[in-house]
Amino acid sequence: GAGVSQTPSNKVTEKGKYVELRCDPISGHTALYWYRQSLGQGPEFLIYFQGTGAADDSGLPNDRFFAVRPEGSVSTLKIQRTERGDSAVYLCASSPSSRATGELFFGEGSRLTVL
Amino acid sequence: GESVGLHLPTLSVQEGDNSIINCAYSNSASDYFIWYKQESGKGPQFIIDIRSNMDKRQGQRVTVLLNKTVKHLSLQIAATQPGDSAVYFCAENVDNFNKFYFGSGTKLNVKP
Repeated sequence: GAGVSQTPSNKVTEKGKYVELRCDPISGHTALYWYRQSLGQGPEFLIYFQGTGAADDSGLPNDRFFAVRPEGSVSTLKIQRTERGDSAVYLCASSPSSRATGELFFGEGSRLTVL
Repeated sequence: GESVGLHLPTLSVQEGDNSIINCAYSNSASDYFIWYKQESGKGPQFIIDIRSNMDKRQGQRVTVLLNKTVKHLSLQIAATQPGDSAVYFCAENVDNFNKFYFGSGTKLNVKP
C-alpha cells in the first residue's frame, strides 16, 4: 500500500482484556514509531523501532504495554489487562532510515475504547 | 517529560485571511521543530519543519518562525482556505529525529 496501514481502526474491549494493535509501515521504511493520542491532546511518544529492535521504549507507560517488530516491517502493540485509562487513539508512524527531515508518515490510527 | 504547546485553543478566521498559530516550547536544547496538520479521523500530516539554526522558513502558503530567545514557534498560513480547517500541532526534537514531543494543538476553523 501507499501509506501506513493500521488495524483495527476501532477496537472496543472490556477492562482486563488483552488487545493487539497492528501497524504495517510504508515499504522500505526502517524506522517505526508508536504514539498514543488522547482526546484533545497531541500525540504522546510510546516506542521507536529501528529495524527489528526497540531503540527507545521510554514512552511505554508501564509493563502492561509491549511492542514487537520481529521481521523489521509489521509491528504489533500489545496491551495486557486493559484499563479504562488506556482508551485513546494509537498512532503508528514510519520513516526512512536516511532522511533529510524528521517527517513521520502517520497512519490513521487505531481507536481503542476500554469499557 | 517535555512541555510543548498550549492546551487546545481554537482560532477562527475568515476564508482568505491570514492565520497565525502559536506554540511555546520549554526545552532550550531542542534543535528541530515540525508543524503537523491533523484532520478529523486522520493521522497527523507533515507541513513544514525548521532547524534551530534558522529563524524563518517558507513553504507553499506557509511560513514558520522560530524565536529561540523566548522559545516560541509560529505557523503562518497565507490566504487561509476551508481545506485548512484542522488541528495543528508543533513538535520538537532533541534526539536526532528519534523522539518527538508534541504540543496539544490548536484547532483552526475557517469560515467561508
